[in-house]
Amino acid sequence: QQQVKQSPQSLIVQKGGISIINCAYENTAFDYFPWYQQFPGKGPALLIAIRPDVSEKKEGRFTISFNKSAKQFSLHIMDSQPGDSATYFCAARYTGGGNKLTFGTGTQLKVEL
Amino acid sequence: EPEVTQTPSHQVTQMGQEVILRCVPISNHLYFYWYRQILGQKVEFLVSFYNNEISEKSEIFDDQFSVERPDGSNFTLKIRSTKLEDSAMYFCASTAGNSPLHFGNGTRLTVT
Repeated sequence: QQQVKQSPQSLIVQKGGISIINCAYENTAFDYFPWYQQFPGKGPALLIAIRPDVSEKKEGRFTISFNKSAKQFSLHIMDSQPGDSATYFCAARYTGGGNKLTFGTGTQLKVEL
Repeated sequence: EPEVTQTPSHQVTQMGQEVILRCVPISNHLYFYWYRQILGQKVEFLVSFYNNEISEKSEIFDDQFSVERPDGSNFTLKIRSTKLEDSAMYFCASTAGNSPLHFGNGTRLTVT
C-alpha cells in the first residue's frame, strides 16, 4: 500500500521532444506528490509538486498531470534538452506522515542531440 | 540559497567498524531526515527527527543505527557495526515544516 510504482526505468528522447514519466500509487491517504531530479553525485532536488485537488500543474517546461480516480500522476518535460538528462523520481507523502516521502524507483532520462 | 551540507562525501570502512555520517541542515529548519539509496535503486526513508527525538523510523533503521543532534547545527547518523549491505549513498534532508524537503549531496558509504 505504501508503494509508488514508476515507469519507464529508462527513457531516451531526442532534443526538443517530450519526455513522459508515469507513476501510480495505491494509498489514498497520499496528499502530496513531488517530482525530484537527481544528477550523478548529487542529492535529489525538488522539481515540481502537486496536490490532489488539481489535475495539472505547470512550471516552465515541466508539467504534472494528476488523475485522482486512477491514482496516477505523470511528469511531462516539453522541449527536452540535453541538460535535462538525469534521474527523475516521483514520490508521495501523506498528511500526518511528516515529510516521510515514499519514492518511486526512478527513471533515467537521456536527451540526445 | 541555503543548502544542506554533508560530510564526508565518501567514507570507506571495514565491516564491523562504526561510522558516523555528519550533516548540517539548513539553519532555520526543524525537521531532519536520513534517507539512503543503494546504487541504482530508489531512495528509501530511514528516520525522521524532530524536537530532539525520533519521530518515525523504517524497518531498515534497526538497533545498529542511531541519530543525534549533538549541538545546534549538526545532525549525525551512526552505524554501530557496519555490514556489507550498508554500502549506499546516505542523504540527509531537512525542512522547516510543511514545506519541501531539501536534500544534501550525500555521503557514499563503502563497506569492505
